[in-house]
Amino acid sequence: GNSVTQMEGPVTLSEEAFLTINCTYTATGYPSLFWYVQYPGEGLQLLLKATKADDKGSNKGFEATYRKETTSFHLEKGSVQVSDSAVYFCALVSTSGTYKYIFGTGTRLKVLA
Amino acid sequence: ETGVTQSPTHLIKTRGQQVTLRCSSQSGHNTVSWYQQALGQGPQFIFQYYREEENGRGNFPPRFSGLQFPNYSSELNVNALELDDSALYLCASRERGGDYEQYFGPGTRLTVT
Repeated sequence: GNSVTQMEGPVTLSEEAFLTINCTYTATGYPSLFWYVQYPGEGLQLLLKATKADDKGSNKGFEATYRKETTSFHLEKGSVQVSDSAVYFCALVSTSGTYKYIFGTGTRLKVLA
Repeated sequence: ETGVTQSPTHLIKTRGQQVTLRCSSQSGHNTVSWYQQALGQGPQFIFQYYREEENGRGNFPPRFSGLQFPNYSSELNVNALELDDSALYLCASRERGGDYEQYFGPGTRLTVT
């Protein structure tokens, strides 16, 4: 079945450091891929998406490229801020069947001033 | 444009009781999904509704049931509550088709004692 694997956290970085959060997936067909962010006590917010191979999603300085050959969708940001501290979830949705989302277990990011 | 809203925000129930959670989908969205997010985990798909009918279900027992109304709002009902049902319950809505982007509500925190 479909699945998403994320690197375990927590990830602790100093402000302005480079961020990478790894995400790999297993899926049949051609899923769409997403990154969501969850701030403390809140629901999930869509951060970025990619719907086909080699697509690059980007938003608020975050980027991720849909790599079909490595089945990966790693999240990157060149310079993190304290306000980026949150939990980040990688997710896929199969484009056939019920279109349910499959989420990774989440990676907690803590950015220190 | 109104986003996804959920009620109540928090709820405390006793084992064996029944609970109903409510969700109003984002304007123009006709598909609603429910997710259970246990502490420290990623959201798990419960089921999805489209045109007032369930059209996809995750690995949850029948005591988890739902409804969708003509205005696309939705309810999640859980009977015979168990301690393990304690979680954040998230509702998400989207347009049918398109890029499969889902927009999440803030969630209802259910505690079963």
